[in-house]
Amino acid sequence: GAVVSQHPSRVICKSGTSVKIECRSLDFQATTMFWYRQFPKQSLMLMATSNEGSKATYEQGVEKDKFLINHASLTLSTLTVTSAHPEDSSFYICSAIHRDLEQYFGPGTRLTVT
Amino acid sequence: EDQVTQSPEALRLQEGESSSLNCSYTVSGLRGLFWYRQDPGKGPEFLFTLYSAGEEKEKERLKATLTKKESFLHITAPKPEDSATYLCAVQAQGGSEKLVFGKGTKLTVNP
Repeated sequence: GAVVSQHPSRVICKSGTSVKIECRSLDFQATTMFWYRQFPKQSLMLMATSNEGSKATYEQGVEKDKFLINHASLTLSTLTVTSAHPEDSSFYICSAIHRDLEQYFGPGTRLTVT
Repeated sequence: EDQVTQSPEALRLQEGESSSLNCSYTVSGLRGLFWYRQDPGKGPEFLFTLYSAGEEKEKERLKATLTKKESFLHITAPKPEDSATYLCAVQAQGGSEKLVFGKGTKLTVNP
């Protein structure tokens, strides 16, 4: 149990376009999901907390208008990178809270902006 | 500010050579300490949650322990497939479910 999926696993887009990444909890409901970003050989950096039915809470320094988060159901959160630029290229990972505080992670999405 | 420091940054072991990874933390009231394993290009895989000092948990060759200031991940008789980056994270009391991660320990087990 406690499986989290992400789609797509890899995406390449042109500078100036927008990209949407989906995060799904497959076998449990998650009122809270998180979005992280990870640069090569670095640890995870929390970008935002996604709460079902309400606005996301962004970490300091993360642009809300650039990284749009929607948590429309108890099993789905989406991250849209708007007007992407090469510096947005990174590994994006989501996670979902399962019972007893356990946070399970998706497999990640590799975004490359050309 | 909550902080997590992991040591060593990298560790090379021979197959069968047991060792421990360290996670030191400062947090304003610990709600939980988490260990994850991450393989290159993949998301972290949940291993353990520890809630209070003195608690221990085991899974196959891994054993996690917790004190009031640090946690250890003991690896007994490791195999090459145990090679990965091991991440430690803490969650503070006070309502937020955010995790604060350490930078990880990259473990390489040579056959």
